[in-house]
Amino acid sequence: GAGVSQSPRYKVAKRGQDVALRCDPISGHVSLFWYQQALGQGPEFLTYFQNEAQLDKSGLPSDRFFAERPEGSVSTLKIQRTQQEDSAVYLCASSRYPRLVDEQFFGPGTRLTVL
Amino acid sequence: AQTVTQSQPEMSVQEAETVTLSCTYDTSESDYYLFWYKQPPSRQMILVIRQEAYKQQNATENRFSVNFQKAAKSFSLKISDSQLGDAAMYFCAYRSANTGNQFYFGTGTSLTVIP
Repeated sequence: GAGVSQSPRYKVAKRGQDVALRCDPISGHVSLFWYQQALGQGPEFLTYFQNEAQLDKSGLPSDRFFAERPEGSVSTLKIQRTQQEDSAVYLCASSRYPRLVDEQFFGPGTRLTVL
Repeated sequence: AQTVTQSQPEMSVQEAETVTLSCTYDTSESDYYLFWYKQPPSRQMILVIRQEAYKQQNATENRFSVNFQKAAKSFSLKISDSQLGDAAMYFCAYRSANTGNQFYFGTGTSLTVIP
């Protein structure tokens, strides 16, 4: 596709359920980022992949959050035993190279609501 | 961790006029990158402009320019000849050149363009 896509766009989960959020980066992009954006806030970094390697997961808020990118393309962010505080928009972004000045291309996000 | 501050939650500008959005950041590093991103209501973040800290010359992209004051740790965005399509949330972001995996975003400024 032409841009970064994410699915589902909206997800409603009951507290305690597990959810999986998918990100399809732009084809050939090496770097992939996940962010959490709470209502009225800026995105907060969760984790970073370079190809299939997860180089930084320091932003994951708890061990209930897990991300993978097994073949260096599609990535999945999994949240186990969801809590109400997990409600947010989850953004995925990719960039062609891991150069620091490179532009990140963002997906439309997945809005997660935990009841 | 670095912090990015956007002190203007909301701004408005008359169509065709000029508006400046402010951003300050806190860092002890000398080498880093700064970005302005635009997030329209559709939610997909778009890069507006970027600045490498080692460059003294302010970046310019068509109607968008920055005033980068490294000593003051200030990075403001000027939008000239404002258009209705400029209405969006604007986020300032910082990326370290040393530990560059993470982007640090401000809380955003909501820009309204008045016809």
